[in-house]
Amino acid sequence: DQQVKQNSPSLSVQEGRISILNCDYTNSMFDYFLWYKKYPAEGPTFLISISSIKDKNEDGRFTVFLNKSAKHLSLHIVPSQPGDSAVYFCAASVDSGTYKYIFGTGTRLKVLA
Amino acid sequence: NAGVMQNPRHLVRRRGQEARLRCSPMKGHSHVYWYRQLPEEGLKFMVYLQKENIIDESGMPKERFSAEFPKEGPSILRIQQVVRGDSAAYFCASSTSGRTVYEQYFGPGTRLTVT
Repeated sequence: DQQVKQNSPSLSVQEGRISILNCDYTNSMFDYFLWYKKYPAEGPTFLISISSIKDKNEDGRFTVFLNKSAKHLSLHIVPSQPGDSAVYFCAASVDSGTYKYIFGTGTRLKVLA
Repeated sequence: NAGVMQNPRHLVRRRGQEARLRCSPMKGHSHVYWYRQLPEEGLKFMVYLQKENIIDESGMPKERFSAEFPKEGPSILRIQQVVRGDSAAYFCASSTSGRTVYEQYFGPGTRLTVT
């Protein structure tokens, strides 16, 4: 039972344009969400997070939007750069203080120069 | 400061053999976590250890899997009598405290292939 779903396994975007990565979840008890980025041959690295009390969190070129009623979050990267090419995982938890998160299957982003 | 190190990076085992995966945490980190990513799935928590203690093994399969983090040396994830379904990428992460996952630093993973 996949509680966190990333339905697009891959996405290609032109350099300079916006990348939008989507994530859906089924558990209404989730209240903390993260995005991780993973380059080939490396471990995942934390990118950005959002609490359920917010609907938007921004960090430089990265913005995460949360729509609780739709149980949907998205990561926007503007402008996209070739170095952003990686696999992006979303993750969710019922508690921000936990070390246990439910990860999605990932979306491979390719930014074309 | 070296990051989290895992070895081997790739491991091939025949069905029935044992697999040993090693994880050296970042310097100063005393908390280690193991995750598994099966094909077409997200990372899943397996076990959380501190030096010489297993804190939470709720994600570990009940049989054939064990983990340790001795006082000296790396953390070891051991899989006995491997089966094809054990083929996956195994990641470890380390942290200075047992807190939220974004404070965990991940290693590059070990890809286990069972033939």
